[in-house]
Amino acid sequence: AQSVTQLDSHVSVSEGTPVLLRCNYSSSYSPSLFWYVQHPNKGLQLLLKYTSAATLVKGINGFEAEFKKSETSFHLTKPSAHMSDAAEYFCVVSEKGSYIPTFGRGTSLIVHP
Amino acid sequence: GAVVSQHPSWVICKSGTSVKIECRSLDFQATTMFWYRQFPKQSLMLMATSNEGSKATYEQGVEKDKFLINHASLTLSTLTVTSAHPEDSSFYICSARPDLSTDTQYFGPGTRLTVL
Repeated sequence: AQSVTQLDSHVSVSEGTPVLLRCNYSSSYSPSLFWYVQHPNKGLQLLLKYTSAATLVKGINGFEAEFKKSETSFHLTKPSAHMSDAAEYFCVVSEKGSYIPTFGRGTSLIVHP
Repeated sequence: GAVVSQHPSWVICKSGTSVKIECRSLDFQATTMFWYRQFPKQSLMLMATSNEGSKATYEQGVEKDKFLINHASLTLSTLTVTSAHPEDSSFYICSARPDLSTDTQYFGPGTRLTVL
């Protein structure tokens, strides 16, 4: 069985400061991990994914995430927040073979000017 | 590349009517498509997995007679909400998986359904 826990329902940062969105996962097998972003009333856009290659994954818009197997974590970071980063972020896990995704509850990123 | 469209983007209908939502992969063939439902301020709830040419696999608690899914081609899946009621009002999102070797999904923009 697989599960995802996004530790924060809301994260509030000031523009120009670093962003950290936390995600822990549980998976019986070798997982694939994803971060998606959703702007209001829009679909989801893939930010980045981990599929057992490099543990530090770089994505679009300056985001990156590090896969830490020992901590079962896949936290999303960005060095400097922009106002346009304000959105809902979802961490997703799927197990190789089944490919059925499990979504975290989402983290709302709020960026203050 | 990897663009998924949904039509319509929003729809308002009367209680008791049926509504069809289309999901298309525009620049790739999708062996698998997924249908999700999202309530306000909540995460996505997987409703069903749709494979081209075969019956959809529904998640527990999702009524297959209520939410009819047809994956008629490698680029088109449809979700029909039959005899819609106000509690069916929601944001419906589809996603498509290009092939069996990847578990990356590409999402459509969503369809806002309001049942009066």
